[in-house]
Amino acid sequence: GAVVSQHPSWVICKSGTSVKIECRSLDFQATTMFWYRQFPKQSLMLMATSNEGSKATYEQGVEKDKFLINHASLTLSTLTVTSAHPEDSSFYICSARDLFRTGDSPLHFGNGTRLTVT
Amino acid sequence: RKEVEQDPGPFNVPEGATVAFNCTYSNSASQSFFWYRQDCRKEPKLLMSVYSSGNEDGRFTAQLNRASQYISLLIRDSKLSDSATYLCVVAPGQAGTALIFGKGTTLSVSS
Repeated sequence: GAVVSQHPSWVICKSGTSVKIECRSLDFQATTMFWYRQFPKQSLMLMATSNEGSKATYEQGVEKDKFLINHASLTLSTLTVTSAHPEDSSFYICSARDLFRTGDSPLHFGNGTRLTVT
Repeated sequence: RKEVEQDPGPFNVPEGATVAFNCTYSNSASQSFFWYRQDCRKEPKLLMSVYSSGNEDGRFTAQLNRASQYISLLIRDSKLSDSATYLCVVAPGQAGTALIFGKGTTLSVSS
């Protein structure tokens, strides 16, 4: 079945540094990928929609200059957390939908990246 | 009103019990509905889609009431391995748009 690979699985970084998270669709093309964030005991919250070849669409309250998204190919989207601060510590999950699959096509999730900013 | 609301948890049940989760959604134009399962510190995994006619997958039964904008999940003969958080998920409309997640209901099955 379809698989989405996310890397790294976890990262610890110092405040002020930047962290890049990669999301790849392994056996299907994804013109659109979604980035979610989940704080402890909270629901997944959509941060932005990543569109191949064009600018990402950010949800209200998400700073586009802080969370840089690049979707340069049909199988790769990256999220860069710039100048990370402790409040950015969270579980970041990417996902993609296989639009060429008939019938229901729910999101396929990466395994998530647990970011801890010290 | 939140877009997707679920029963507050946690649900603590013994093995073999039947448990039901409920969910309501606010967008009447929503197209597709799903239940996802999320284990602690893991990504969500699709449990099952929810169809208007109701559907069953082994011990799991999902139902949808579009008029009431209500979704349910029934788990029969609970197993220890069913312990997880169950997420009600709604697709607001067009294909390619992001899914909207409920906060989740935690189930704990004990022996």
